[in-house]
Amino acid sequence: NAGVMQNPRHLVRRRGQEARLRCSPMKGHSHVYWYRQLPEEGLKFMVYLQKENIIDESGMPKERFSAEFPKEGPSILRIQQVVRGDSAAYFCASSPDRGLGSPLHFGNGTRLTVT
Amino acid sequence: DQQVKQNSPSLSVQEGRISILNCDYTNSMFDYFLWYKKYPAEGPTFLISISSIKDKNEDGRFTVFLNKSAKHLSLHIVPSQPGDSAVYFCAAEIRAQKLVFGQGTRLTINP
Repeated sequence: NAGVMQNPRHLVRRRGQEARLRCSPMKGHSHVYWYRQLPEEGLKFMVYLQKENIIDESGMPKERFSAEFPKEGPSILRIQQVVRGDSAAYFCASSPDRGLGSPLHFGNGTRLTVT
Repeated sequence: DQQVKQNSPSLSVQEGRISILNCDYTNSMFDYFLWYKKYPAEGPTFLISISSIKDKNEDGRFTVFLNKSAKHLSLHIVPSQPGDSAVYFCAAEIRAQKLVFGQGTRLTINP
């Protein structure tokens, strides 16, 4: 049973370009979360999605960032017009349900570098 | 607003001894607390959790203690092994929604 798959592992973009990060949750998992980790910091919540629905996007910057989890295919985190401050590791996590204390399963992340 | 804090950025422990990692929180509405372990270039992996209605949970070499009055939890690893060297994150959950993470503590086990 494959774990949470994220691609690409590394992504380099110039300022002003778009970045697309993909996440395929574990089989049978319909809940997806995106977290961002800046250097020497903890993981910060960005967005929580279920199939075709955004449940909580309170951690998403108001502009340039968007996320989706379509009925078919992976979840996508999209960053438009990237800036140097967007350089970070972006982690996706999934879970089969959202019972109390149900642990999230994380992918190995996408490291975004903006030059 | 840092709701979950790990005040020790790093900790060094001799192999075979006990490792104690600490975590403080400010929000009394947290329902569950979880510890994750992270190796470089990998995602966090779940270690152990505890409900806010419990004060202790044990799983093999790992034990988590929760002191609600002090809003403090700790992870004990005994005996510590070289493979335990990693960054440990404390996380808290409200209403089965998002996790709030601490900044992490880098644990180094010395042979």
